[in-house]
Amino acid sequence: AQSVTQPDARVTVSEGASLQLRCKYSYSGTPYLFWYVQYPRQGLQLLLKYYSGDPVVQGVNGFEAEFSKSNSSFHLRKASVHWSDSAVYFCVLRSNTNKVVFGTGTRLQVLP
Amino acid sequence: DMKVTQMPRYLIKRMGENVLLECGQDMSHETMYWYRQDPGLGLQLIYISYDVDSNSEGDIPKGYRVSRKKREHFSLILDSAKTNQTSVYFCASSLGAHSDYTFGSGTRLLVI
Repeated sequence: AQSVTQPDARVTVSEGASLQLRCKYSYSGTPYLFWYVQYPRQGLQLLLKYYSGDPVVQGVNGFEAEFSKSNSSFHLRKASVHWSDSAVYFCVLRSNTNKVVFGTGTRLQVLP
Repeated sequence: DMKVTQMPRYLIKRMGENVLLECGQDMSHETMYWYRQDPGLGLQLIYISYDVDSNSEGDIPKGYRVSRKKREHFSLILDSAKTNQTSVYFCASSLGAHSDYTFGSGTRLLVI
C-alpha cells in the first residue's frame, strides 16, 4: 500500500526567508508525485509534478521540488517566500495503477 | 476559462435531510471525482466517475451515492445526512485517469 507523510502540520517563516516543506512517501513502484497548493476558501491548484528524469522539478511562482528515491522524499522548496505564499500545501502520490493518495497537508504562514 | 464549478458553496442541513451537491466542468473531461476534506486527514476519495453512468466507489463511499448523466455534470447525494458528514467536499476532473486534476472551490456542508 502507498502512503504520503507530511510531518509538519504547520510551518511559519518570515517573508524573504527560504522555505522547505517536507514530504515522505511509501510506495514500492515508481511514483508520480505532485505538490498542490490550497489558498483559503479555494480548491487545490497544481504547483508542480514529477514523473521521471531530472529529480529537481520547477513549478509556478518560484517553487521547486526534489525527488529522492533513496530517501523516498519529495521536498518542496522556495528560495524567498512572499506573504501571498501563505496557504496549505499538499504532497500527492499517484501509483502506476492510478491510485491517488494525498498527504495531510502543511499549513504555511508567512510573517510580514 | 477552463474550470470546475461547485454549487452551492455553503450548505446547512439538518440530520436526516437529503443533500445534493452539484459539480460541473467545461473541459469535456472524462473522469470526475468527489473528495471530502477533513482537518488532519487530507483529501479522501468518495467516488470516481470514468464517464457517463460509469462510477466506482472510492475509499469512503458509505453514506454517499453519485449520479453522472451528462459528461459535464457529476452529483453527490447524501440520503439522510448525518452529523459526521459535516465536511468540505471537493469535486475534481481530469482528462483521463492519468491526467492532472482540476479542482472546484469546494462546498462547505454543515449537518446539524
